[in-house]
Formats: sequence, C-alpha cells, structure tokens
Amino acid sequence: DTAVSQTPKYLVTQMGNDKSIKCEQNLGHDTMYWYKQDSKKFLKIMFSYNNKELIINETVPNRFSPKSPDKAHLNLHINSLELGDSAVYFCASSLPGGSTQYFGPGTRLTVL
Amino acid sequence: SQQGEEDPQALSIQEGENATMNCSYKTSINNLQWYRQNSGRGLVHLILIRSNEREKHSGRLRVTLDTSKKSSSLLITASRAADTASYFCATDGSGNTPLVFGKGTRLSVIA
Repeated sequence: DTAVSQTPKYLVTQMGNDKSIKCEQNLGHDTMYWYKQDSKKFLKIMFSYNNKELIINETVPNRFSPKSPDKAHLNLHINSLELGDSAVYFCASSLPGGSTQYFGPGTRLTVL
Repeated sequence: SQQGEEDPQALSIQEGENATMNCSYKTSINNLQWYRQNSGRGLVHLILIRSNEREKHSGRLRVTLDTSKKSSSLLITASRAADTASYFCATDGSGNTPLVFGKGTRLSVIA
C-alpha cells in the first residue's frame, strides 16, 4: 500500500550515460514533483506537473526531461549524465494548491 | 526568494529533553509546513500552519508562527531517540509557486 514509490532506489552509472527514474503514486493526487537533494541536504524543486501538464520548470539543464504518461506517474529521464548530477532525487505528490506533499523514498544517483 | 532558513543547523540533546528549531523566511506566505527526514529516507509531513494561525499542536509537536517576524518554531517535547532526524520547514507562496524548503536542522537525541 505504498503511497509514493520510486524505482530504482540506487543508481550507479558512468558519465555520459542516459538513465531514467520512475515514480508512481496511488493517492489520487493531481500534482506531482521532482526534487533534487544535494550532499548538503538542500532540497530544490526541479519540476511540477498538474494532471499531466508541466506547471513548474525551475532552472534545470535540458538534459533533464520529465514525462507524465498519466496523472499517477511522473518519470525523470536524464541524458548525458555528469558528475554534478550525483544526488538523491525525490518524487512527491500533493493535492493542488501548495498543500501537504507526500514524498517517495528517493533515488540515490551516483555518477562515476 | 522566500527560502526558509532553519536554525540551528544541528542540535544534540538528551532523551526526555525538549528540542526547539526555528525557521525564518523572507516573503509573504500562505502556509508554512514542517517535515522530518530520517537518514536515507524521504521527507514526511509533520504539521502545516496557515498564515492566519499563530500556534498549532500535534501530539508532542508544537508549532508557532509569527508572520510579523517571518519566523516559525517547532518544539518537540519529551524527545525520544526515534526523533533523531533532519527537520525542514517549507513555505508556500501563492498561486503555483512551489514549496521552498530550508536547509534543515539535524537533530540528534541521545538515549
């Protein structure tokens, strides 16, 4: 009965590779998010989707492309991975309007 | 930006003591939320306080909000070792502005 799930939990890859992280929520929420948490624990919004439409796209390299096939899923594809992409990526969901967010367990990405 | 800033960055207390963490922010908000993050896990929502509220309780948690000072505090009473985690405040502006998280306070409760 996991509310927000992400796969994989760990991802280790070489520079230059392309990888995807998947996120699914079963809470019936319309809004989903991707966050990046760096080594200093700073959590920064990357993208937000509402009912499959992109509503927030912070200053993120265009190597990062979110895709929402339906409102329960928000995947993150990263092209040409760089060392600086190493971080923990969190997916979250909420009802619209800045209410409580429910976070997934995170995906720890390590780029070698 | 309206980024929240938690203070202190790290706090170490004995089990049974109270822990107080503070959050300051820069612009007007609709609400302020506190989240907990255990090591290696996602964030878990603790409590939300609206801009027209001054104090809110949930179990051993007490949150205050002072919009004139643009600050909030989170008090955890009778702390337990299981409260060891990082605590983040997050502020919500208006419209479609995203939640903005602070850098967190790392709380260690020693048994």
